[in-house]
Amino acid sequence: SSELTQDPAVSVALGQTVRITCQGDALRSYYASWYQQKPGKAPVLLTYVKNNRPSGIPARFSGSSSGNTASLTITGAQAEDEADYYCNSRDNRGNRVFGGGTKLTVL
Amino acid sequence: EVHLLESGGGLAQPGGSLRLSCATSGFTFMRYAMSWVRQPPGKGLEWVSAISSGGDTTYYADSVKGRFTISRDSSNHTLYLEMKNLRAEDTALYYCAKEDEWLAEYFFDSWGQGTLVTVSS
Repeated sequence: SSELTQDPAVSVALGQTVRITCQGDALRSYYASWYQQKPGKAPVLLTYVKNNRPSGIPARFSGSSSGNTASLTITGAQAEDEADYYCNSRDNRGNRVFGGGTKLTVL
Repeated sequence: EVHLLESGGGLAQPGGSLRLSCATSGFTFMRYAMSWVRQPPGKGLEWVSAISSGGDTTYYADSVKGRFTISRDSSNHTLYLEMKNLRAEDTALYYCAKEDEWLAEYFFDSWGQGTLVTVSS
């Protein structure tokens, strides 16, 4: 299966740590990348291949992987981190696939 | 700085056609794979299609295979998506995305702002 499953919604208290997960068989073979999308805006790449971050992405965002699960951890969540988060990977045919997305609320 | 500018969206009737374009600048176009990703109103991201840097290999989501064709023109640094036999469920904001590669893994490092396609009678 090439599906990636994410929890639809997660909440975190301001300044606390939150983990957003992504599950799928594809993740046993390929790494996930993570994207943040705010309302009315295009997605932004947060992490890719293990725990690489593009320049300009704060260090509080980190990626990890174990078995069929990839995780995005936000250490010390800020109010501006309230957004939708998507994981992405690929399947054996080379097709890319997104998770259904997780809406993060910062309380 | 990478710039991706989509155009060509609009209203189409079911069964109709549209051609989307993505004009690019700020990077060596012929070195990177490119993708189209769509987002129906109020819903999540859906990958649609990808094309290799040289244009010789293409990939399609099952939902669009046989109806959509991705192509690229290195002479004018532009990515295209030809959409035929459109359905209501193709209604979405269509993003153009640049792919990068690290350790044989691909990810989307730059995105356009999207062009809206509405399929309705």
